Amino acid sequence: NAGVTQTPKFRILKIGQSMTLQCTQDMNHNYMYWYRQDPGMGLKLIYYSVGAGITDKGEVPNGYNVSRSTTEDFPLRLELAAPSQTSVYFCASTLSGVGGELFFGEGSRLTVL
Amino acid sequence: AQKITQTQPGMFVQEKEAVTLDCTYDTSDQSYGLFWYKQPSSGEMIFLIYQGSYDEQNATEGRYSLNFQKARKSANLVISASQLGDSAMYFCAMTRTEKLTFGTGTRLTIIP
Repeated sequence: NAGVTQTPKFRILKIGQSMTLQCTQDMNHNYMYWYRQDPGMGLKLIYYSVGAGITDKGEVPNGYNVSRSTTEDFPLRLELAAPSQTSVYFCASTLSGVGGELFFGEGSRLTVL
Repeated sequence: AQKITQTQPGMFVQEKEAVTLDCTYDTSDQSYGLFWYKQPSSGEMIFLIYQGSYDEQNATEGRYSLNFQKARKSANLVISASQLGDSAMYFCAMTRTEKLTFGTGTRLTIIP
């Protein structure tokens, strides 16, 4: 029972580099989310998707892009990394929008130097 | 826009005592859901409890209960008989449609 799988778990980037955080879920969930958590803070929504082919912005989408070509996968792309993007990134999924427990991945710690 | 407020940045509680973590929310919608998540020092997010806005009874899950006061827009988490393993960050969250909004969290430390 894999649940939500994120890769990589740790990554160090140089300013201006790009990378993709991978997220896969095997629970056939329609809803998927990307959050970021800065040190000592709560989670802020970056992007979310309510199904394959449908994505929308959250609170803090600038500097990120997403795609949802399949139900299982929801990659997060960082273009031109900046030190302000140093954070822990969580992918999550749920079957239904209201009332459904959110299942989280283990997180990806990204440092931009 | 929906908003979640957790006013206690940190709490220290003696082991075996009960503890209440505060959470207030702001929404004009009638249908919404409220969650509590625990984040230990290892970093993972652990689901604790859920309350729907139309649920008449307070949700309970083992030692966790949610004190839901709809008129006051509060959804406090009560942990009975606290244990050392309860030391963690605790986040209140609300979902109105497809988005889940989190509060800033409360760091709970259980003292032996």
